[in-house]
Amino acid sequence: KAGVTQTPRYLIKTRGQQVTLSCSPISGHRSVSWYQQTPGQGLQFLFEYFSETQRNKGNFPGRFSGRQFSNSRSEMNVSTLELGDSALYLCASSAGVLGTDTQYFGPGTRLTVL
Amino acid sequence: AQSVTQLGSHVSVSEGALVLLRCNYSSSVPPYLFWYVQYPNQGLQLLLKYTTGATLVKGINGFEAEFKKSETSFHLTKPSAHMSDAAEYFCAVSDRYNQGGKLIFGQGTELSVKP
Repeated sequence: KAGVTQTPRYLIKTRGQQVTLSCSPISGHRSVSWYQQTPGQGLQFLFEYFSETQRNKGNFPGRFSGRQFSNSRSEMNVSTLELGDSALYLCASSAGVLGTDTQYFGPGTRLTVL
Repeated sequence: AQSVTQLGSHVSVSEGALVLLRCNYSSSVPPYLFWYVQYPNQGLQLLLKYTTGATLVKGINGFEAEFKKSETSFHLTKPSAHMSDAAEYFCAVSDRYNQGGKLIFGQGTELSVKP
């Protein structure tokens, strides 16, 4: 089975721009979660989508948004980029039925904001 | 609110020595507990998880962890370190009453293995 894929792997943007990241989950998985990883704050949960609906949300400003399509692929968008948004963005997929379902992570998208 | 504390941001051991990475959680109800490993420039890989039942959990690559409710701990161990174990390790928890995939992570522990 193919793993979780994320595109692009690397991105460079300037302050004020917006960016869209994409995540393709493992086939059959209905849940996609997004995390931000930075050296200072560590791994922080952004949001989770299940069957095209946002099921959980972390504590991030409204500039961070996401969506999920009927094929379970997910995108996250960051508008009005700030320097502090530079991070590794990880997505994870799971069956999403039980809280014990294992989350499988993609390799991440490295976003650099200049 | 749930939180996870990993004691020691850096741990260094010699090859063949015991690996012990510490994790404590803060939650009124015991959560589900996970250990993930991250190699450079890669995503996270699940090592093991505790959900219910036997408190000693065995994972991949010879790792195991024991859930101790009285100590609110879920420490990760491996009897004999290998050079390939050098990586960053994350302890994480999720709410038992939340179906969703919201993991709360500790700050991570970077493991170095000396030859």
